[in-house]
Amino acid sequence: GPKVLQIPSHQIIDMGQMVTLNCDPVSNHLYFYWYKQILGQQMEFLVNFYNGKVMEKSKLFKDQFSVERPDGSYFTLKIQPTALEDSAVYFCASSLGQGNTEVFFGKGTRLTVV
Amino acid sequence: TQTVSQSDAHVTVFEGDSVELRCNYSYGGSIYLSWYIQHHGRGLQFLLKYYSGNPVVQGVNGFKAEFSKSDSSFHLRKASVHWSDSAVYFCAVRTGGYKVVFGSGTRLLVSP
Repeated sequence: GPKVLQIPSHQIIDMGQMVTLNCDPVSNHLYFYWYKQILGQQMEFLVNFYNGKVMEKSKLFKDQFSVERPDGSYFTLKIQPTALEDSAVYFCASSLGQGNTEVFFGKGTRLTVV
Repeated sequence: TQTVSQSDAHVTVFEGDSVELRCNYSYGGSIYLSWYIQHHGRGLQFLLKYYSGNPVVQGVNGFKAEFSKSDSSFHLRKASVHWSDSAVYFCAVRTGGYKVVFGSGTRLLVSP
């Protein structure tokens, strides 16, 4: 079936440094999402992106976070600067449409900020 | 605003038992419901979904779920669990908007 690929699967970064998480969404999908999951806890919505713009973001999407998808390439989540509390698994997702269309999730990138 | 409630944080059963994982939602309009499974340290795997039609939906690996508008529920069931079903199960809701809202998850432990 359709797959969302996330690269890398695990990243370790020093606090204060910048990190970019990459996501290769399903090829014909138009809506893109990032979710954050702290170990053993709930999946929390971060942001939704469509047509080059952020459509909706949560309170977890801090000013240090940004997303983009330049020229249909990877959909990226950038954190600059990183903080210890940013350590979590970040899941990328994509969907063809809104409402009743299925959302496909990647396997996640485990970010460890030290 | 839509919300999803999974009342049981942990469920423990024996292999071969039946299981029901509970999910209740709050939203008045058209709703898209789904269940995902997450094995330890892994990503999300889609199990099944409901949007309209037959309120009982069949998913992978013998799972099924039943939508009830009167109860605002979408409980997940399996008739006979296997040890490999041990995982965290997330109920999720999507309305006419963009995002998927997840419940807090139910950790299922199947003892041999």
